[in-house]
Amino acid sequence: EVQLVESGGGLVQPGGSLRLSCAASGFTFSSYDMYWVRQGTGKGLEWVSAIGTGGDTYYSDSVKGRFTISRENAKNSLFLQMNSLRAGDTAVYYCARDRYGGTSGYFDLWGRGTLVTVSS
Amino acid sequence: DIVMTQSPDSLAVSLGERATINCKSSQSVLYSSNNRDFLAWYQQKPGQPPKLLIYWASTRESGVPDRFSGSGSGTDFTLTISSLQAEDVAVYYCQQYYTIPPTFGQGTKVEIK
Repeated sequence: EVQLVESGGGLVQPGGSLRLSCAASGFTFSSYDMYWVRQGTGKGLEWVSAIGTGGDTYYSDSVKGRFTISRENAKNSLFLQMNSLRAGDTAVYYCARDRYGGTSGYFDLWGRGTLVTVSS
Repeated sequence: DIVMTQSPDSLAVSLGERATINCKSSQSVLYSSNNRDFLAWYQQKPGQPPKLLIYWASTRESGVPDRFSGSGSGTDFTLTISSLQAEDVAVYYCQQYYTIPPTFGQGTKVEIK
């Protein structure tokens, strides 16, 4: 089955760290650019980070310098290392597959998301 | 960043009636070299991830019912549900992928009247 499954979310104190994972299956993971998109409770969708098939990385201004995206193609896995977390980072984090593969992309496959809560 | 603005924020439509959602981008998302609009539409039901409905502004994703259609070009786009069904109750988002960062509209909530 073609799917993405996120894990690693949870409750963390401000200033803390979390590492999110996204396990891909049913498709050739290494052939796709991959993204993280987040959604605050009752809020809209916000792009967080992207990684290309060649390992090039991109970040939103709101997370640049704090978050690091990576991928391990041999394990069909995508990661998001989140440091110096803030209350504003509280959201459901989705990993998403980019079908287009251009400078930016649109997302034809989404995971169910993992909830990150930053609170003391 | 390209700002995407949807209207209305919410709408209530009777079953079987037409629902129309508008999306405006702060700059053109039409790429002149291939004459394609870099615009997608998604549907998100409560507790679920977004689902791709439309890409290239008007190309329906496989498996999406043909009552969903996308139109427009440049900076102004429309998602139309020709005959609203109960299962179409959701929030709908437009998204540009003309440039990075990809940006989404704020969402339009569609309900049954």
